[in-house]
Amino acid sequence: QVELVQSGPEVKKPGASVKVSCRASNYFFGDYSISWVRQTPGQELEWVGWISGLNGNTNYADQFRDRSTMTTDTSTNTAYLELRSLTSDDTAVYYCARDDNKYAPHYFGPWGQGTLVTVSS
Amino acid sequence: DIQMTQSPSSLSASVGDTVTITCQASQDCRTSLSWYQQKAGKAPRLLIHDVSILESGVPPRFSGRGYGTQFFLTITDFQPDDFGSYFCQQYDDLHLTFGGGTKVDIK
Repeated sequence: QVELVQSGPEVKKPGASVKVSCRASNYFFGDYSISWVRQTPGQELEWVGWISGLNGNTNYADQFRDRSTMTTDTSTNTAYLELRSLTSDDTAVYYCARDDNKYAPHYFGPWGQGTLVTVSS
Repeated sequence: DIQMTQSPSSLSASVGDTVTITCQASQDCRTSLSWYQQKAGKAPRLLIHDVSILESGVPPRFSGRGYGTQFFLTITDFQPDDFGSYFCQQYDDLHLTFGGGTKVDIK
């Protein structure tokens, strides 16, 4: 079955950067896209952004546009999220999720297991 | 961005109850609305997309309806496995947004 496996937990200091990976398997990567969603300690879900598996087009939420970069490596079917200038407010579980549409952000079927990013001095 | 407001924020249900969760959008989402269930410590699970289309494997006691700015998730014959949190999400706007969630526990 479709699987998304994310990298392990991270602990970072304020001002640092983090890069989370999401390796997809058991489907054709180019037929779908990947969205990144984070869940805050208060359990709120926030969409971070979207990247097409077809052509690498991206769409970022406004609050993350200036300090995040999403990329894909089609040779390994892996998506990456880099978030820079971290603050304590970035402490959250970061999920990748397979987006049903390769042309625009839609809804998410399979999800990764989540990566806890903790920002603390 | 479209703001999604869910109600109630929490509820308790007994086995066999009918439970309804409401999601209100700040502007027209047409039929671009999905629902997710989340258990503690797990990733969300897609239940419904396009307002009322059940994802494969989701029991038919789950149903969705609505259009535009008002949407509803209904669970008929509530089962013990249905406890957890439920979130709506719009994708009419290219900037996706989620509701704040409804936590459902067993009465």
